[in-house]
Amino acid sequence: GEQVEQRPPHLSVREGDSAVITCTYTDPNSYYFFWYKQEPGASLQLLMKVFSSTEINEGQGFTVLLNKKDKRLSLNLTAAHPGDSAAYFCAVSAWSGSFNKLTFGAGTRLAVCP
Amino acid sequence: EAAVTQSPRNKVAVTGGKVTLSCNQTNNHNNMYWYRQDTGHGLRLIHYSYGAGSTEKGDIPDGYKASRPSQENFSLILELATPSQTSVYFCASGDWGEDTQYFGPGTRLLVL
Repeated sequence: GEQVEQRPPHLSVREGDSAVITCTYTDPNSYYFFWYKQEPGASLQLLMKVFSSTEINEGQGFTVLLNKKDKRLSLNLTAAHPGDSAAYFCAVSAWSGSFNKLTFGAGTRLAVCP
Repeated sequence: EAAVTQSPRNKVAVTGGKVTLSCNQTNNHNNMYWYRQDTGHGLRLIHYSYGAGSTEKGDIPDGYKASRPSQENFSLILELATPSQTSVYFCASGDWGEDTQYFGPGTRLLVL
């Protein structure tokens, strides 16, 4: 089945610096890709959903890059601020038998220091 | 946005006891899911459901049962709780054919 590896597990940056989180996946038939943000003690909040036909998506303060050839998905927080401190999870969707299954990366704990 | 609620939010149980975690969603989504979250593992799928009356095994179903009595409600049942089931449990819902899943606030379970 699908395997998703997320790196790094922990990341600490200074305010204003960029932070890059990367996921690699194994199933070439994966077609939807997600980034979720989880603040301490809270639930998962959807940041962005990327379709297989789209390579770059820009959100508020971040960019998502999808490289289907390398089976790599990345999240780049362009100018991190303390409010970005959270855990980030990538998730990859693919058909598994009879349903669309989400496989999650293990997460990246990001700390943004003032 | 989907509204998914879970109860209880925190639970302490004894080994061998029965635990029921409840999930309710109000957006009429067909699919519902139960995950557990442990450090270093991300979220792992325990059970899921396509609609009322259906339950299916996910990746780690051992020691868990699920029940979907209605479109809105999906329960996770630990018949004989063990300390290894100490975790944070998340319920999610989503429409069939729509891959986005919307998560509840989570239940923190401690089995002593």
